[in-house]
Amino acid sequence: DAGVIQSPRHEVTEMGQEVTLRCKPISGHDYLFWYRQTMMRGLELLIYFNNNVPIDDSGMPEDRFSAKMPNASFSTLKIQPSEPRDSAVYFCASSYRTGGMGELFFGEGSRLTVL
Amino acid sequence: GENVEQHPSTLSVQEGDSAVIKCTYSDSASNYFPWYKQELGKGPQLIIDIRSNVGEKKDQRIAVTLNKTAKHFSLHITETQPEDSAVYFCAARMAGAQKLVFGQGTRLTINP
Repeated sequence: DAGVIQSPRHEVTEMGQEVTLRCKPISGHDYLFWYRQTMMRGLELLIYFNNNVPIDDSGMPEDRFSAKMPNASFSTLKIQPSEPRDSAVYFCASSYRTGGMGELFFGEGSRLTVL
Repeated sequence: GENVEQHPSTLSVQEGDSAVIKCTYSDSASNYFPWYKQELGKGPQLIIDIRSNVGEKKDQRIAVTLNKTAKHFSLHITETQPEDSAVYFCAARMAGAQKLVFGQGTRLTINP
């Protein structure tokens, strides 16, 4: 398996623009997580899905952030409009919980810079 | 909710020496404690984990210990090598929950 695939790896945009980050989880995994990593706040959970259904979005910072999972093999995290304080590395992770402790497999991240 | 504190934030050791990273958690309902290693430009990767019914677990040069009473757990790396240089994160998860709460991370540098 190719692992969790994220795109783009790097995104530089200007304040006010819409940003869409994409994730393809590992086939067969039933949980998908979006994390944000910054120096100040570390790894923060933004939202997670179980079988494509959003379960907990309490970590989503504001209404400017939205996430979708239209099918088992694809998820998006959208920021509209983007602001400089959104600059961070965004990680997608997937896991298979049934019968196990659910190791998280992370993608390589999408580094977002908002100017 | 759960809160995880991790120390130290940076650690530098000589190659061949041991490294210890410590974490404390707040919620006694947590029962799963993984450690992740993040190399430069990569996502975190699980290196070892421990459940609350076990006090210690070892895998070659790495070991994790858990003290449920004190609510703290530690990562021990022996005979450190240059490839151990990375950022290490501890995490905790409550029983029945899906959410992993991470510590702030420790940047470990192995000096040759």
